[in-house]
Parts: sequence; structure tokens; C-alpha cells
Amino acid sequence: AQSVTQLGSHVSVSEGALVLLRCNYSSSVPPYLFWYVQYPNQGLQLLLKYTSAATLVKGINGFEAEFKKSETSFHLTKPSAHMSDAAEYFCAVSDLTQGGSEKLVFGKGTKLTVNP
Amino acid sequence: DAGVTQSPTHLIKTRGQQVTLRCSPKSGHDTVSWYQQALGQGPQFIFQYYEEEERQRGNFPDRFSGHQFPNYSSELNVNALLLGDSALYLCASSGTTANTGELFFGEGSRLTVL
Repeated sequence: AQSVTQLGSHVSVSEGALVLLRCNYSSSVPPYLFWYVQYPNQGLQLLLKYTSAATLVKGINGFEAEFKKSETSFHLTKPSAHMSDAAEYFCAVSDLTQGGSEKLVFGKGTKLTVNP
Repeated sequence: DAGVTQSPTHLIKTRGQQVTLRCSPKSGHDTVSWYQQALGQGPQFIFQYYEEEERQRGNFPDRFSGHQFPNYSSELNVNALLLGDSALYLCASSGTTANTGELFFGEGSRLTVL
């Protein structure tokens, strides 16, 4: 069964600093990997996804993530944090082997705080 | 293009009651999944509907049931509510032709059980 571990339930950075949110996955098949963002009292919005093409994936709002098979990691980065990046971020893995159905397994989330 | 819409946005129930949550998928999508997000946790998969049938189910009791209608909209029903059922319930839709694993989420229905 797939699983996702997000290291650090809370991350705090200064505005303009590098953002690094860590995600490690476990999957018995080649994974599809996702990062979603959730602002307070809202649903989930897709930031970016890895679907076995380029290992460096660029997403919205300046975020990117690199798939490293040898490390089973899919860490999310952004060179310069903005106040509007403050939110909760979820890493997820999908297994499409079950008849093509899109079931996601989520990590517990990392809450990002951006300090002025 | 309307995204995934859910109703109601908030509701309060008491233990033992029953609740029905509704979801309309994104235009062109035929698969609807439901997730439960407890406070401070990631979303957990409840079940998925395709062609009006439950295709997959997560580790949730039979008190949780669902339905999908011919227009692809869906309902989530929870019977005999417990305090622990308090959570944000998220509906997500996807299209089988896309086959990328990507889900589009609604803003959720926040259920409080007193």
C-alpha cells in the first residue's frame, strides 16, 4: 500500500527566504505524486504533479518539486517565500493500477508560516 | 467552467442524527471521490463512485454510504453520527479519459457533531 510521510508538521520561514517542505513516499509501483495547498477554510488546490515525465516539476506560484526515485522523495521548494504562501501543504501519492481510478493517499500536512 | 461544488458549506448535527452532503463534479468529469479531513490531519479516502456504483472504498464503517446520480453528481450519507465524525468532508472529481491521477477538489462541507 502507498503511504506518504511529510517531515515537519510546522515550518516557519522569513519572507524572501527559501521554502523547503519535505515529502517521502512508499509505493510498490511507479508513483504519481502531487502537492496540494490548502488555505484556511478552503478546499485543496493542486500546486504541481509528477506523472513519470520530467523529474523536476514546476507548478503554480513559483513552486517546484524534484522526484528522486533513489531517495523516494518529492520535496517541494520555492526560492523566495511570500506572505501569501502561508498555508497548509499536503503531499499525496496516487496509484492508478486499480482500473485507472484516482485514489490519493495524503500525508498529514505541513503548515507553512511566513514571517515578515 | 464551474469547478466542483459542494453543499452545504457548514452544518451542525447532534449525536445519533443522520446527514447528507452533496457534490456536483467539475464539468466533463464522471468520477466522484469523497474524503474526510479531521482537524489537523490530511484527507482520508472514504469511497469513490463511477457509473453510479461504488468502485473503491477506504477504511470507513458502513454508517458511511453514498450515491451517484446519472448526471454524475453525488451524495455522501452518514448515519448514527458520532462526535468523531466532526470533520471537513471534501468531494473531488476526475475524468477517466484523463488518467493522470489528478483530482479537483471542492471547498468542502464542514460538519460539527455535538
